[in-house]
Amino acid sequence: QQQVKQSPQSLIVQKGGISIINCAYENTAFDYFPWYQQFPGKGPALLIAIRPDVSEKKEGRFTISFNKSAKQFSLHIMDSQPGDSATYFCAARGSFGTGTRLKVLA
Amino acid sequence: NAGVTQTPKFQVLKTGQSMTLQCAQDMNHEYMSWYRQDPGMGLRLIHYSVGAGITDQGEVPNGYNVSRSTTEDFPLRLLSAAPSQTSVYFCASSYSETAFFDITFGSGTRLTVV
Repeated sequence: QQQVKQSPQSLIVQKGGISIINCAYENTAFDYFPWYQQFPGKGPALLIAIRPDVSEKKEGRFTISFNKSAKQFSLHIMDSQPGDSATYFCAARGSFGTGTRLKVLA
Repeated sequence: NAGVTQTPKFQVLKTGQSMTLQCAQDMNHEYMSWYRQDPGMGLRLIHYSVGAGITDQGEVPNGYNVSRSTTEDFPLRLLSAAPSQTSVYFCASSYSETAFFDITFGSGTRLTVV
């Protein structure tokens, strides 16, 4: 069964807007929460990751927010750009979410 | 360039045929795995290996075999191809089983079974 549940399935955002993708997990033993970015025809690549001992991690325009009590974590893309258009996956311990296809309109 | 190399990139098989998807990594990673990616299903783990000589089943192992005779290579064998195995297959590696943050993926093999 799906150990991480991701939403939404697809997302359309205007250039300069904020993209938010959510992920929920069940297993409290998970100890690392990465997000992967995949462009068409390519394999997924690690984008950003967080450990459960912090509530937020920021790298440039990408931020992970982590809520341990709710067993949820989310990816925020600030000032979204057309080049961010890709599929994003959350993951935990080798289990991946179903992916979110993000399209940023120019 | 260091990384995970998959061959072939594209393949068309007839139902019932067998074939091997090749995967090699040059990063001396102990952990290797195979995923399939289907629309709306995300990445599903087929088989994985924590080191040479050790393999185990993932979420969707039926119809696939693997072996790990060396640290570098982790081929995936389709025994008797079925249309349900039409998918994009990704090989991945990381330096340890717990280092999922450090997974490196290959560029994928797009397989069509007719």
